[in-house]
Amino acid sequence: QKEVEQDPGPLSVPEGAIVSLNCTYSNSAFQYFMWYRQYSRKGPELLMYTYSSGNKEDGRFTAQVDKSSKYISLFIRDSQPSDSATYLCASYSSASKIIFGSGTRLSIRP
Amino acid sequence: EAEVAQSPRYKITEKSQAVAFWCDPISGHATLYWYRQILGQGPELLVQFQDESVVDDSQLPKDRFSAERLKGVDSTLKIQPAELGDSAMYLCASSGRTGGSVYEQYFGPGTRLTVT
Repeated sequence: QKEVEQDPGPLSVPEGAIVSLNCTYSNSAFQYFMWYRQYSRKGPELLMYTYSSGNKEDGRFTAQVDKSSKYISLFIRDSQPSDSATYLCASYSSASKIIFGSGTRLSIRP
Repeated sequence: EAEVAQSPRYKITEKSQAVAFWCDPISGHATLYWYRQILGQGPELLVQFQDESVVDDSQLPKDRFSAERLKGVDSTLKIQPAELGDSAMYLCASSGRTGGSVYEQYFGPGTRLTVT
């Protein structure tokens, strides 16, 4: 079992829709949770990171962590075609390296 | 805006040949990472440097892969001999003391390696 699991998609939604991307993790020691966006043929770029449980909002993006269920979510409001990319969740603890999910490929239809 | 530089961007090589990738991290970043990303998967850490010292190379196939960061700045990752299964994107990332959280890793554009 991978430590961080992510549905690979692809996920296709119309422009303006709310997108929900999800991951689960197995290591209860994980404390830090991140979402990266990766455009085709580019390196990942950090979107958001959170510590422990709770929500964090940044513009159209909201990251949510539920440590009781080991569930990580990223919500994108008012989705735009420019949001089309692969989204990677990642987690780690102070004693571990970062573990990435396999990524969800998202496509926003104009 | 400061960026992590990598070269080459693309490399095609025959199996059993040697290949090398170069990375120049963001100025002042003490920590440098090399990742391998197979198509359809997330990046997996190969080696992590803190300044010029290796912090973690537990997933580096040391029989064929080597990495160095001699002066604690730029870094080279080498594969010798390359095998078909090494075809992947090789990503370099850095994080550190100049701005942002130490947990924020900034990735370069990667080197796409194809072994034939």
